[in-house]
Amino acid sequence: NAGVTQTPKFQVLKTGQSMTLQCAQDMNHEYMSWYRQDPGMGLRLIHYSVGAGITDQGEVPNGYNVSRSTTEDFPLRLLSAAPSQTSVYFCASIPPGSMNTEAFFGQGTRLTVV
Amino acid sequence: DAKTTQPTSMDCAEGRAANLPCNHSTISGNEYVYWYRQIHSQGPQYIIHGLKNNETNEMASLIITEDRKSSTLILPHATLRDTAVYYCIVRSGAGSYQLTFGKGTKLSVIP
Repeated sequence: NAGVTQTPKFQVLKTGQSMTLQCAQDMNHEYMSWYRQDPGMGLRLIHYSVGAGITDQGEVPNGYNVSRSTTEDFPLRLLSAAPSQTSVYFCASIPPGSMNTEAFFGQGTRLTVV
Repeated sequence: DAKTTQPTSMDCAEGRAANLPCNHSTISGNEYVYWYRQIHSQGPQYIIHGLKNNETNEMASLIITEDRKSSTLILPHATLRDTAVYYCIVRSGAGSYQLTFGKGTKLSVIP
C-alpha cells in the first residue's frame, strides 16, 4: 500500500514553461486535493475533487488546471509557469464518510521557477 | 470553518509532556478539532481529532474545553522526533473535506 505518491520530487522550470505534477493514490479515496506551501506559511488549497469527473477551485486556483479522469489520479497542470509559483506542492486524499476524515498527504514536489 | 489561533513557537524538554494550545472561539456545534503535524517540510501527518469529548490515541491526547472554544494537544513524553510544526484545524464533519491551515506552532524538543 503506497498511499499518496507524488512525482517528481524536485523540478526546476523556466518562466513560461508548462508542466504537470502527478499525484496518485491507491486507497480508493474519492476526495483528492492540491495545496501549495510557501516559506514560513501554512498550506493553501489550490484545487480539489470529490470524485472522478468532478473538480472545483480552492483558495488560490489561478495559474493551475486540474482534471480527474480516474479515482486514482489527480494531476495538477501549470500552463505557463511564473516565479510566483515557486513553492512546495502537496497532494492529499481523504476517505469517504463524515467521521473517517484523516487526510493522507504525499511527500511533496518542490518546484522552482526561474 | 472557524479560525484558530496558536502560539508561533514553543520549546519542550525531551521526555517531558508537550502541551500545545489552540484557541477556536468561533467554533460551531458541528465542527471538529483536528491536529496535524509537519516534520521538516514533509507532508503533513494526521495526529488526532475530536468533537467535544477528550480523545487519546497512540500518538497524543486531545483535551477540549467544555465550551469548545479552546483545546490542547498533549504529547505525553516528547522526543526529538516530535520536533515539528503542529497545526490545529477546525472544520465541519458533515461532508466538508477541506482543511484550512494556519501557520501552526513550531515545537522544538530540546535534549
